[in-house]
Amino acid sequence: AQTVTQSQPEMSVQEAETVTLSCTYDTSESDYYLFWYKQPPSRQMILVIRQEAYKQQNATENRFSVNFQKAAKSFSLKISDSQLGDAAMYFCAYSIGGNYQLIWGAGTKLIIKP
Amino acid sequence: DAGVIQSPRHEVTEMGQEVTLRCKPISGHDYLFWYRQTMMRGLELLIYFNNNVPIDDSGMPEDRFSAKMPNASFSTLKIQPSEPRDSAVYFCATTLAGVSDTQYFGPGTRLTVL
Repeated sequence: AQTVTQSQPEMSVQEAETVTLSCTYDTSESDYYLFWYKQPPSRQMILVIRQEAYKQQNATENRFSVNFQKAAKSFSLKISDSQLGDAAMYFCAYSIGGNYQLIWGAGTKLIIKP
Repeated sequence: DAGVIQSPRHEVTEMGQEVTLRCKPISGHDYLFWYRQTMMRGLELLIYFNNNVPIDDSGMPEDRFSAKMPNASFSTLKIQPSEPRDSAVYFCATTLAGVSDTQYFGPGTRLTVL
């Protein structure tokens, strides 16, 4: 079965510090894409970062970076210099290349302490 | 681009009434997805279209739900008759095949059925 597991229902971090959100997935496919989406209280679902499975280099977007371990099927998100605006639910997801459906994790609620 | 547009943003209705949710995709995107999000069940894919054709509607909960995409610029999700358990946030998301597999979400419609 294709699944995504986010083992941390909730995480908290002090403002300006670094936090890592974990995600593991299960697929037998070799061509797939991985995503982290952010959903703030406004409920808008916002793409944070994406990673193509065929790329060994970890994706980075400003303060957001991933640690992609393909053999371990792990895709964690690191947020550096946490800001109050980072407080949100974070969802990990993947899609099989050419399929376009997303398989979602249950989400991690990130709390930023001022 | 204006992004994915959904209307209305909020809808409050009484049980038994018909509800129609609307979505305008990003221009040129050829896949359109309807999701439902609740606390209990998380994010669920209801149905998705490719080039205006429904591809998979296995997520539609029951016959009270129907979705159409009469053209590339417009889709509707209809609930008739509505029930209190249909209360949720409904998202529309779109993507362009062969580009990035990234789904871009609308702001969602919060539906409350009394």
